[in-house]
Amino acid sequence: AQRVTQPEKLLSVFKGAPVELKCNYSYSGSPELFWYVQYSRQRLQLLLRHISRESIKGFTADLNKGETSFHLKKPFAQEEDSAMYYCALSGQAAGNKLTFGGGTRVLVKP
Amino acid sequence: GAVVSQHPSWVICKSGTSVKIECRSLDFQATTMFWYRQFPKQSLMLMATSNEGSKATYEQGVEKDKFLINHASLTLSTLTVTSAHPEDSSFYICSASTSGAHKGQFFGPGTRLTVL
Repeated sequence: AQRVTQPEKLLSVFKGAPVELKCNYSYSGSPELFWYVQYSRQRLQLLLRHISRESIKGFTADLNKGETSFHLKKPFAQEEDSAMYYCALSGQAAGNKLTFGGGTRVLVKP
Repeated sequence: GAVVSQHPSWVICKSGTSVKIECRSLDFQATTMFWYRQFPKQSLMLMATSNEGSKATYEQGVEKDKFLINHASLTLSTLTVTSAHPEDSSFYICSASTSGAHKGQFFGPGTRLTVL
């Protein structure tokens, strides 16, 4: 079975401070990991995926297979980063469907 | 970018009636569409996976006779909540994917269903 855990339900940081959202997973195979973001009153949208090794809106995430983690980081949080963030896992063994973590709400204070 | 629409955006119905929700991929062909349910302040729970031209695959615990899914074309999937009851009230979200999930899924805006 595949599982995604986001231990923090809420992260509150000041503007300009670093922010790190934790994500741990369990999966018996080679997973594909994603971060999705949902801004207020907007639909869920893809933020980044591990295979792309890209930085989107200043966010980066590195897949650590040894620790089974895919933490999301940004060195300097901005107020517009306030949103709900979901870590998700997909794997061929599960038919490429996504399993979501519980989500972390990020609040960036001015 | 890939756009997915849902209709209606919200619906209120009486207990015992059926409600159909449409999910469309507007500018791409979706080989697979997914239906999720989201309760307030909770994460998305996958209900079923729908492939064009074949029967949907339901997750454990999801009643296929209650949540009917039809994926008649590469751009349209429908979810029908049959004989709706108040406990079916929720936020239903669809997503669409092209070949393979490695490109991620594109999500619709969701449909808020309230059953009185």
